[in-house]
Amino acid sequence: DGGITQSPKYLFRKEGQNVTLSCEQNLNHDAMYWYRQDPGQGLRLIYYSQIVNDFQKGDIAEGYSVSREKKESFPLTVTSAQKNPTAFYLCASSSRSLRDTEAFFGQGTRLTVV
Amino acid sequence: DQQVKQNSPSLSVQEGRISILNCDYTNSMFDYFLWYKKYPAEGPTFLISISSIKDKNEDGRFTVFLNKSAKHLSLHIVPSQPGDSAVYFCAGVAPGNTPLVFGKGTRLSVIA
Repeated sequence: DGGITQSPKYLFRKEGQNVTLSCEQNLNHDAMYWYRQDPGQGLRLIYYSQIVNDFQKGDIAEGYSVSREKKESFPLTVTSAQKNPTAFYLCASSSRSLRDTEAFFGQGTRLTVV
Repeated sequence: DQQVKQNSPSLSVQEGRISILNCDYTNSMFDYFLWYKKYPAEGPTFLISISSIKDKNEDGRFTVFLNKSAKHLSLHIVPSQPGDSAVYFCAGVAPGNTPLVFGKGTRLSVIA
């Protein structure tokens, strides 16, 4: 089955540690995105990538880093520089134009800093 | 600066009646709009979209209306069912290969 997979579903991190969230898709989509959801804040864009080896910052990129070495994969690293990392993280993919295919989302990773 | 605004955080509707969810946008470059539905602890799923060249798009119980002059769109669900209870996000897209810009969402509760 084609889809987009995020892992793990729940993640706990100690303060001061970096942690990497995985996102893999087998939909042959060029574009991939990371969003963060906080209560009452909607979905805010962290980073996105339209093509392999290229990515752009979104509205709240500070404290995060990404890589896009393969078309299928777009991991997100939450660094110790991110002040409030506890949130629900959502990865999505789409064709390069959202008018051709809508964005498909993974099931999310809930990150908690302990 | 919010480019997409969903000013009603929540809405309660009786089963069988119409649900109307509203969305306003400020970015006049947006030319494509989507609605997503989200259950707790899950990823959003696509519901319906509309291009700015249209003023209405219908898919079964779901209809989206676009009023470009007012920079306003609405999602109508008729008839509402208990399974429609979820958070609904409105999103806009500008030309070019730009990402979705989401509103804060409206939580719909359909009461049996």
